[in-house]
Amino acid sequence: DVKVTQSSRYLVKRTGEKVFLECVQDMDHENMFWYRQDPGLGLRLIYFSYDVKMKEKGDIPEGYSVSREKKERFSLILESASTNQTSMYLCASSLAGGRSVTQYFGPGTRLLVL
Amino acid sequence: AQTVTQSQPEMSVQEAETVTLSCTYDTSENNYYLFWYKQPPSRQMILVIRQEAYKQQNATENRFSVNFQKAAKSFSLKISDSQLGDTAMYFCAFMKGAYGGSQGNLIFGKGTKLSVKP
Repeated sequence: DVKVTQSSRYLVKRTGEKVFLECVQDMDHENMFWYRQDPGLGLRLIYFSYDVKMKEKGDIPEGYSVSREKKERFSLILESASTNQTSMYLCASSLAGGRSVTQYFGPGTRLLVL
Repeated sequence: AQTVTQSQPEMSVQEAETVTLSCTYDTSENNYYLFWYKQPPSRQMILVIRQEAYKQQNATENRFSVNFQKAAKSFSLKISDSQLGDTAMYFCAFMKGAYGGSQGNLIFGKGTKLSVKP
């Protein structure tokens, strides 16, 4: 089975702190994604990566950056956390191209910014 | 731009009965995929069922089936013999076809919260 893990289930940070959310997948997937989930808004794509050191902006990239130094790991960075970044963050991964289109999700990180 | 609409924010069903969750989408693409994902209260999002737009036959996975109406851009999920474990948030999602180099970005609806009552 595909396994996608996220470094923390719950995180509490202060406004202005730099925050790192880590995601690791164990199935050699090329594609990795970071989503933000808010009640009544569904999931919105922040950034995605289709290869090591490659990244593309999603729908809501402002205030976030990402890093992919290794194929299995995709990090989401909040350079200076703000209260409006309090949310649930979901990581996902998938194979590239037409081999499989299914995305596999991690358990999520619930971030509270005070 | 593609959009996905789930018009039922919340639904409930009695155990063992059948329930249908609605989803409509808007796209000018001809090659795409549609998904239903389930997110139980524990928060792990899992795939329920997937439909390729080029396939006319509706997808089925055990108690879960879809009614895919391509012309109407409708993609509803039917859950038969509902079980308590079906209680979850259900998301409908759209993805452009992967053949042309799409990296597989999912566009989600806002979700339907389903409660199965004993």
